Amino acid sequence: DSGVTQTPKHLITATGQRVTLRCSPRSGDLSVYWYQQSLDQGLQFLIQYYNGEERAKGNILERFSAQQFPDLHSELNLSSLELGDSALYFCASSVMGQTYEQYFGPGTRLTVT
Amino acid sequence: DQQVKQNSPSLSVQEGRISILNCDYTNSMFDYFLWYKKYPAEGPTFLISISSIKDKNEDGRFTVFLNKSAKHLSLHIVPSQPGDSAVYFCAASAPGNTPLVFGKGTRLSVIA
Repeated sequence: DSGVTQTPKHLITATGQRVTLRCSPRSGDLSVYWYQQSLDQGLQFLIQYYNGEERAKGNILERFSAQQFPDLHSELNLSSLELGDSALYFCASSVMGQTYEQYFGPGTRLTVT
Repeated sequence: DQQVKQNSPSLSVQEGRISILNCDYTNSMFDYFLWYKKYPAEGPTFLISISSIKDKNEDGRFTVFLNKSAKHLSLHIVPSQPGDSAVYFCAASAPGNTPLVFGKGTRLSVIA
């Protein structure tokens, strides 16, 4: 158990809908990262927050947004969902703003039908 | 354009033998490399890392070798055990707060 929690574990929704994925980092970790893993793909970095502020952005679509709250949990919002958004979404956390040795949650499997 | 490549999607090894997983990178700015292991239905877990100032790092049965001139790193597992069966991801990072770049992973199967 990495100490990072993600909810829900599975999510099935229709095209055009909006969903919110939630992540609670390990106790004491200030940084949260979001990744997308599509079929046969590696982990694609989406966005990083550090202590409530956006720190780095990857190939995140404009339809996607995220935030980190004062209690350090984070939410990833995906809107106008398309079939191609079906993927595993992982959250990771680390103590500081550095990206080394991130601890991953179990992921949320999103299926868009 | 993939900056971190794991060209072998899968590898099968007998229990007790050595497993060698390979990773190539193209970005010469990368200075820190990590290996993650992932079991089904779980998130990746950190396994071992190496800084570009070293060419080898060892942790128990796991050793990572870095060849900077060839932009190549490898993970050796000796001896391989059935519990090592998982997907292994190679990742790299450049200086500063740059995101980790992951390869697509290699699925290792250790056969008893």
